[in-house]
Amino acid sequence: AQSVAQPEDQVNVAEGNPLTVKCTYSVSGNPYLFWYVQYPNRGLQFLLKYITGDNLVKGSYGFEAEFNKSQTSFHLKKPSALVSDSALYFCAVRDSNDYKLSFGAGTTVTVRA
Amino acid sequence: GAVVSQHPSWVICKSGTSVKIECRSLDFQATTMFWYRQFPKQSLMLMATSNEGSKATYEQGVEKDKFLINHASLTLSTLTVTSAHPEDSSFYICSARRGGEDTQYFGPGTRLTVL
Repeated sequence: AQSVAQPEDQVNVAEGNPLTVKCTYSVSGNPYLFWYVQYPNRGLQFLLKYITGDNLVKGSYGFEAEFNKSQTSFHLKKPSALVSDSALYFCAVRDSNDYKLSFGAGTTVTVRA
Repeated sequence: GAVVSQHPSWVICKSGTSVKIECRSLDFQATTMFWYRQFPKQSLMLMATSNEGSKATYEQGVEKDKFLINHASLTLSTLTVTSAHPEDSSFYICSARRGGEDTQYFGPGTRLTVL
């Protein structure tokens, strides 16, 4: 079984401040981890993924995420948030042996001007 | 690129009618397509996985006779909600995966409202 936890329903930050969205996971095999962003009434846009290799992954729009195996975490970060980053963010995991993704509940990010 | 489209983007239908939603991979061949359902302010729930030319694999609790999935080509999958009822109203999202790749690319979603 695999699962994802996003402990924060909402994250509020001021524009220009660092943004962190937390994610922890549980998977039986090697984890494949993904971050997606969703704008209102739209599908999900792929931000970044960790499969193997360097624990720090850089993705689209200045986002990055750090894979921490010991803490089973994959937190999403952005050094300087923009108002346009306000959206719903989903963390997802799959096992290396299965293509099915399990999603977290989502975190709503609001960046105030 | 990896662009996935869905049609229609929204649909309103009467209770008891059937609705077909199309999912297309526009610039790649999709080995596998996935269908999700999303309720307001909730996460995505996987409904089924479909591979081109074979029967879809449904998740537990999803009625295969109610949600018919056809994956007739490497660029097209369809979801038909048969005899729709108001409780079927939801946001349906498809995704597609290229062969040999790990990432799923998502369509823009279809808002279904059953009156």
